[in-house]
Amino acid sequence: DVKVTQSSRYLVKRTGEKVFLECVQDMDHENMFWYRQDPGLGLRLIYFSYDVKMKEKGDIPEGYSVSREKKERFSLILESASTNQTSMYLCASKTSGNTIYFGEGSWLTVV
Amino acid sequence: DQQVKQNSPSLSVQEGRISILNCDYTNSMFDYFLWYKKYPAEGPTFLISISSIKDKNEDGRFTVFLNKSAKHLSLHIVPSQPGDSAVYFCAASAYNFNKFYFGSGTKLNVKP
Repeated sequence: DVKVTQSSRYLVKRTGEKVFLECVQDMDHENMFWYRQDPGLGLRLIYFSYDVKMKEKGDIPEGYSVSREKKERFSLILESASTNQTSMYLCASKTSGNTIYFGEGSWLTVV
Repeated sequence: DQQVKQNSPSLSVQEGRISILNCDYTNSMFDYFLWYKKYPAEGPTFLISISSIKDKNEDGRFTVFLNKSAKHLSLHIVPSQPGDSAVYFCAASAYNFNKFYFGSGTKLNVKP
């Protein structure tokens, strides 16, 4: 079974803090993704990576950056957290096939 | 502009009956479609998919229908069970499969 693990399930951060969300997958997948889920808006793509040290912007990259130093790990960084970044963040991965696999999600509240 | 739309935010169905969840898309380049199921506080789990070369794909109680001319797909669940109560997302992808576009989700409630 594919395993995508998000290390932090629930976080509360203050406005202006730097936030790291970590994601690890154990299936040697080339592609990894970060989405956020908001009510009524579905899942929106923030960034994705198709290889180590490679990244591409998704649909809502503003206020975020990513890091992929190792194939199994994809980190989402909020340089200066703001209240409008309060959301559920979902990491996902896939290989060359057609299905993406999600982690359990990280609930971030910015106060 | 959303390229994948689920116009029904919620659906309520009696146990044992059919649930039909709908999804529309605008991009004619999409050629692969997926449905995901999501319980609260969990990540989405893959349910079923369909390629644009087919118009139907079936897996147990779940069937996905694709109407390319209408740019419409639907998920049928028969018979519906209380454990099917969840949010269902449809997703679409173009040939390179590196980007998936998701709808806003439909919350299904199956009443016992």
